[in-house]
Amino acid sequence: AQKITQTQPGMFVQEKEAVTLDCTYDTSDQSYGLFWYKQPSSGEMIFLIYQGSYDEQNATEGRYSLNFQKARKSANLVISASQLGDSAMYFCAMRGEDTGGFKTIFGAGTRLFVKA
Amino acid sequence: NAGVTQTPKFQVLKTGQSMTLQCAQDMNHNSMYWYRQDPGMGLRLIYYSASEGTTDKGEVPNGYNVSRLNKREFSLRLESAAPSQTSVYFCASSKYRGGTDTQYFGPGTRLTVL
Repeated sequence: AQKITQTQPGMFVQEKEAVTLDCTYDTSDQSYGLFWYKQPSSGEMIFLIYQGSYDEQNATEGRYSLNFQKARKSANLVISASQLGDSAMYFCAMRGEDTGGFKTIFGAGTRLFVKA
Repeated sequence: NAGVTQTPKFQVLKTGQSMTLQCAQDMNHNSMYWYRQDPGMGLRLIYYSASEGTTDKGEVPNGYNVSRLNKREFSLRLESAAPSQTSVYFCASSKYRGGTDTQYFGPGTRLTVL
């Protein structure tokens, strides 16, 4: 069965420092996509970054990078130079290609607090 | 380009009442989805529509029905609301059905069933 695990319910980081949010996954699919979404207090889900299972390089989008370790089945999100506006809930998610690509599994989320 | 829009933003129902949540996207996406988010949890898939004219069950379909009205619109109906359906409902869309394709989400509907 597919599963996403985020073991950090809450994280604190000092403004301008980097922070890593952990995500491990379990799947039997050969081809899959890994995603990170940000949910601020306003409630919307904002897409941040995507990593394909066959991508050899780690994905980067501005201050966001995804540390993808396929053998360990981990897809950690790294936020560099944290800003106060980064305070939010962060969700790791996975979609499997072999199962038709429709079922997206979400983790329980990590709440990030950025301190001034 | 509004992306994915949802109406209403907030709704309070009494047990047994029915209602329809509306979703529309203007990105010419083929696939659309309905999720629910309960406190302290990630999103769970209720129903999805791979393409216009098709719908299928997700992880938690009981108590819901959907209609893919056209390529742009995908509605979610609660026929007889129950307190267990109190949740935040998100609609999403993606261009293709592939696992590598990004889903874009609407702003959500906060539903309370008394």
